[in-house]
Amino acid sequence: GQQLNQSPQSMFIQEGEDVSMNCTSSSIFNTWLWYKQDPGEGPVLLIALYKAGELTSNGRLTAQFGITRKDSFLNISASIPSDVGIYFCAGRGRDNYGQNFVFGPGTRLSVLP
Amino acid sequence: DGGITQSPKYLFRKEGQNVTLSCEQNLNHDAMYWYRQDPGQGLRLIYYSQIVNDFQKGDIAEGYSVSREKKESFPLTVTSAQKNPTAFYLCASSYSSGDYNEQFFGPGTRLTVL
Repeated sequence: GQQLNQSPQSMFIQEGEDVSMNCTSSSIFNTWLWYKQDPGEGPVLLIALYKAGELTSNGRLTAQFGITRKDSFLNISASIPSDVGIYFCAGRGRDNYGQNFVFGPGTRLSVLP
Repeated sequence: DGGITQSPKYLFRKEGQNVTLSCEQNLNHDAMYWYRQDPGQGLRLIYYSQIVNDFQKGDIAEGYSVSREKKESFPLTVTSAQKNPTAFYLCASSYSSGDYNEQFFGPGTRLTVL
């Protein structure tokens, strides 16, 4: 099946620093979703993007739908300890069912006090 | 509260046994999904259902079975044919039609085969 690449795979930052991560695909997508997962829990939806070039914020989080429609970016400003977790991107193109999302392997974020 | 519930949270199974994982949602979503998560990997789709009494195989359906008799429920059975069943299983749901159909996830069930 389709694959998404996320980078970096993991990152260690100091509390208060800004964070940037991205997700790339070999296919064009119509929807990008960003999730955060805490250990042993289900992913929680952070931001949904539906148009190329779209920039959407949710508190300290900002995500962008790349203009090529093959990538998306997530930024976290002024990181805090509770930002620790795994951040997943998910993308969806149009197939026969128009429903299936593809998930990236995740970026593991650690915040040092 | 509206949401997705999965039970049990932890499940242990002996080799050769079938086991059924529960997933219920009260979000009035039409579509439901089962994913498998292994360490360091993205979520992989096992089965999905867009409407009651209909479901399709995902990327890794072998060794699994599902049913969709009610809109609210989408149980997953891990059969003895699944060669490596130990994993974290996630259920999700979404509206089936339209462009704005984000998937929402349950809390997951961790299955361990002894």
